[in-house]
Amino acid sequence: DAKTTQPPSMDCAEGRAANLPCNHSTISGNEYVYWYRQIHSQGPQYIIHGLKNNETNEMASLIITEDRKSSTLILPHATLRDTAVYYCIVKRTGGFKTIFGAGTRLFVKA
Amino acid sequence: NAGVTQTPKFQVLKTGQSMTLQCAQDMNHNSMYWYRQDPGMGLRLIYYSASEGTTDKGEVPNGYNVSRLNKREFSLRLESAAPSQTSVYFCASTSPIKGGRETQYFGPGTRLLVL
Repeated sequence: DAKTTQPPSMDCAEGRAANLPCNHSTISGNEYVYWYRQIHSQGPQYIIHGLKNNETNEMASLIITEDRKSSTLILPHATLRDTAVYYCIVKRTGGFKTIFGAGTRLFVKA
Repeated sequence: NAGVTQTPKFQVLKTGQSMTLQCAQDMNHNSMYWYRQDPGMGLRLIYYSASEGTTDKGEVPNGYNVSRLNKREFSLRLESAAPSQTSVYFCASTSPIKGGRETQYFGPGTRLLVL
């Protein structure tokens, strides 16, 4: 599975959009982009995933560039409870070895 | 529906002691995983079980053994604990593929300190 590169930390003001970037320049055609988050040492929680189209659900939006080499997770109205570590993962369907990097630590400030 | 459960929540061991971490899921998932997370780091895969009766090594298997007891339960054993195994251990299971999506569900973790 391809590796990802994320900034180690980001700040965001409460109520503003949080845009978390991820670089995955070696992604293969059959690999999906997944985002998980980990709040205060709990187990990671699934947020969203996509293959090549932009995706939106009740938690976030995922924007994937046309060449699929990078993506952005958008939390449209960040709250203090969104303070967490966010992991960007690329993984092929049916693959078992999910690689979690260090992620991006997002601080949402009042 | 409890999801993924782990026991114990906390454990302190002395170097050389052994212990087994227990994990169970009630979602009827085929695949299960054990990860460790060291401070400030991401999760690293220790072992996984693609289905009942099978187990395979992940990134950091040395010093650990696993048993897939049945479809629900997947245990992790430390035969002779070392301080380097001080970590938080997470168990996970993966949902069946649906629309290209496979979701991993994680347990609350076991915090292990080896003195």
